[in-house]
Amino acid sequence: GAVVSQHPSRVICKSGTSVKIECRSLDFQATTMFWYRQFPKQSLMLMATSNEGSKATYEQGVEKDKFLINHASLTLSTLTVTSAHPEDSSFYICSARDMGGNSPLHFGNGTRLTVT
Amino acid sequence: GEDVEQSLFLSVREGDSSVINCTYTDSSSTYLYWYKQEPGAGLQLLTYIFSNMDMKQDQRLTVLLNKKDKHLSLRIADTQTGDSAIYFCAESSPMDTGRRALTFGSGTRLQVQP
Repeated sequence: GAVVSQHPSRVICKSGTSVKIECRSLDFQATTMFWYRQFPKQSLMLMATSNEGSKATYEQGVEKDKFLINHASLTLSTLTVTSAHPEDSSFYICSARDMGGNSPLHFGNGTRLTVT
Repeated sequence: GEDVEQSLFLSVREGDSSVINCTYTDSSSTYLYWYKQEPGAGLQLLTYIFSNMDMKQDQRLTVLLNKKDKHLSLRIADTQTGDSAIYFCAESSPMDTGRRALTFGSGTRLQVQP
């Protein structure tokens, strides 16, 4: 089945630094990828939709200058958390859908970000 | 906007059947999904159903859809301890072109007692 690879799986960084998270579709092409954030014991909240070759679409309340998204190819999207603060600590999950049609979303294994 | 609701917790004994329920509000939902999340991991797609189907069975998993009542259920037969996880119901609606993100329920934590 379709596989989405997300790296790193866990990262600890200091306040003020930036962290980049990669999301790759391994055996399919994805014109659209989605970035979700999950707080402990809560559901997934959509942060932004990453569009290959164009600007990402951010959900209301998500700062686009803080969460930079780049979708440079049909198999790679990156999320950069800039000037990280402890409140950015969370579980970030990317997902992608095969561009072939109404196929299901497949998810990466998530990245646990801890900002100290 | 869309809303998806689930009960928060379900406890069953090993070998019993588990039934996890979900309700949604968007009548234009096209696909409905069940995902499984184990601790510290991403989401694993278990199964999905198209809105014109009433039932779908895949090995131990049975999905029932009542479109009139906007009710979706996931039945796990012969539940095993390895089935302990959080199960998310999600729906996909036709949105602006190419977007079609999913709306997730709050997740149901399934605990399987040995």
